[in-house]
Amino acid sequence: GESVGLHLPTLSVQEGDNSIINCAYSNSASDYFIWYKQESGKGPQFIIDIRSNMDKRQGQRVTVLLNKTVKHLSLQIAATQPGDSAVYFCAENISQGAQKLVFGQGTRLTINP
Amino acid sequence: NAGVTQTPKFRILKIGQSMTLQCAQDMNHNYMYWYRQDPGMGLKLIYYSVGAGITDKGEVPNGYNVSRSTTEDFPLRLELAAPSQTSVYFCASSPHTGGRRETQYFGPGTRLLVL
Repeated sequence: GESVGLHLPTLSVQEGDNSIINCAYSNSASDYFIWYKQESGKGPQFIIDIRSNMDKRQGQRVTVLLNKTVKHLSLQIAATQPGDSAVYFCAENISQGAQKLVFGQGTRLTINP
Repeated sequence: NAGVTQTPKFRILKIGQSMTLQCAQDMNHNYMYWYRQDPGMGLKLIYYSVGAGITDKGEVPNGYNVSRSTTEDFPLRLELAAPSQTSVYFCASSPHTGGRRETQYFGPGTRLLVL
């Protein structure tokens, strides 16, 4: 079936560097995409979202890029901090009514001091 | 606001036992969801509800039941626990704002171990 997937399961970066987490999706009808951060023992926490009529959206230290041509989504985190260490999930909404999100496997981001 | 709350935090069940996972939200959200997360994996949708009295199946509904008698509460019922239901269960809610996409807010999760 169609699903969201991630290119890399783990990513290590130096504190202060920028990090990029990638995600591939396969449902061309998806119109809404979300990045979640999940710290150990906690529920997913919303980071940033983007609708399919946009290519880029910026938040505080985070930017999401959407390339619908190649069905690719990325999350850029600027000037990473130790608190950014977590598992990051992308999710796509595949329904027109209530949100039926399909989550990727997740990427574990580790920030090295 | 407390947001989305879940009880219990952790539970061990024997095969064949039943239990109800509780979920409540105080944000007056219409939409509520139940997910399960297996180790090292993303979340999978079990059931969802678009309002009181209305529920529908998600991707992995087998072995579970839900009810939505109030806007605030959305309990998940396991009737005959099986080892395959060992997982972490997350409840989420989201508002409905006339067609706009709104993000889901997640509870802290319930860790379930079936032995």
